[in-house]
Amino acid sequence: DTAVSQTPKYLVTQMGNDKSIKCEQNLGHDTMYWYKQDSKKFLKIMFSYNNKELIINETVPNRFSPKSPDKAHLNLHINSLELGDSAVYFCASSRDRGENTGELFFGEGSRLTVL
Amino acid sequence: GQNIDQPTEMTATEGAIVQINCTYQTSGFNGLFWYQQHAGEAPTFLSYNVLDGLEEKGRFSSFLSRSKGYSYLLLKELQMKDSASYLCAVVDSNYQLIWGAGTKLIIKP
Repeated sequence: DTAVSQTPKYLVTQMGNDKSIKCEQNLGHDTMYWYKQDSKKFLKIMFSYNNKELIINETVPNRFSPKSPDKAHLNLHINSLELGDSAVYFCASSRDRGENTGELFFGEGSRLTVL
Repeated sequence: GQNIDQPTEMTATEGAIVQINCTYQTSGFNGLFWYQQHAGEAPTFLSYNVLDGLEEKGRFSSFLSRSKGYSYLLLKELQMKDSASYLCAVVDSNYQLIWGAGTKLIIKP
């Protein structure tokens, strides 16, 4: 069983389109995250979600919106895609947050290419 | 600002030992992680240090000096499968993870 799974693994789309990436974790964790990894390999936090509390990285454009139907799922919806959105997006989870965060478990990544 | 520095790339020989350094300047410190990331794959947890000293786990060891803002990951008896990027990440005073850009390790036969 995959602990953190995300789909699709690859996504190629045109500028201006809207797309979603889904993420599910079966670890019973309370906190989930979305990260963006660009061509320079920096991992940048986009969102973290814990017990219905959403913490947003203020640098993330509002075209990006996370949606969590329950604590095992955190989906990422992107409106009006731009060329600069091309990157690998990683979903991750941890058992809690703050001092009880522990290690992060990552999904396999979703490579988004915007043409 | 907050900053994590690691070498961009290192090369080592199969069977040898390599040390990957990480220096950090962050607002507070609540621990340091090392993750391994193979090309095209997810980062996977290697180690966590919050107290000074060396933590050994098989062929991999991680060292921390909080006073110097410094950590290293030591890989012994290198194998070809150790070719990967190694990411250093620091937990700051707000329990946010600050990531380095990673060190790409190339293992040659």
